[in-house]
Amino acid sequence: GAGVSQSPRYKVTKRGQDVALRCDPISGHVSLYWYRQALGQGPEFLTYFNYEAQQDKSGLPNDRFSAERPEGSISTLTIQRTEQRDSAMYRCASSLVAGRGLFFGEGSRLTVL
Amino acid sequence: GIQVEQSPPDLILQEGANSTLRCNFSDSVNNLQWFHQNPWGQLINLFYIPSGTKQNGRLSATTVATERYSLLYISSSQTTDSGVYFCAVPISSGSARQLTFGSGTQLTVLP
Repeated sequence: GAGVSQSPRYKVTKRGQDVALRCDPISGHVSLYWYRQALGQGPEFLTYFNYEAQQDKSGLPNDRFSAERPEGSISTLTIQRTEQRDSAMYRCASSLVAGRGLFFGEGSRLTVL
Repeated sequence: GIQVEQSPPDLILQEGANSTLRCNFSDSVNNLQWFHQNPWGQLINLFYIPSGTKQNGRLSATTVATERYSLLYISSSQTTDSGVYFCAVPISSGSARQLTFGSGTQLTVLP
């Protein structure tokens, strides 16, 4: 696509529910990244992929968070048993060259009640 | 990990004024990027600039890697320049791919 597309744009869920956030990167971009951004702060690294391989997941807060990119294109970030502290903007980015020139999507704003 | 500090935290300008935003980092880096988050929340890549100087229209950036800082210059500011400006560097000196972001400079340009 022309840009990085994320869905849903807004998600409100109840504590304890699972959520899946989707990212469709720019066509041809090898690297894909997930970041989380709290209000008033900069984005915080969660995980990144080169093609379908998850190269680094050190930023995932705990084992309730997981991500996949099975065919090296679309990626899904899954949060199980959501908690209120998971509320944030979740941003996906992609780049043609690993680590350089990141293009961010508009984000998925998650609210956990 | 590498620490990033941005200054000033807030800046208010009259339209047409020039400004300089600064990013200091605690260790040598091989990757530095500047981003603009506009009032609608879009996060836009402005520059990939691990060293040297680049210009794009009214914006330019300079990174002096040996002294561990980068500057973003905005000339003849416009109201559309408002938003938060972030610099980002690798999380650790051994990595170029996972970026850590500064806390940003909130810029407000008044008409």
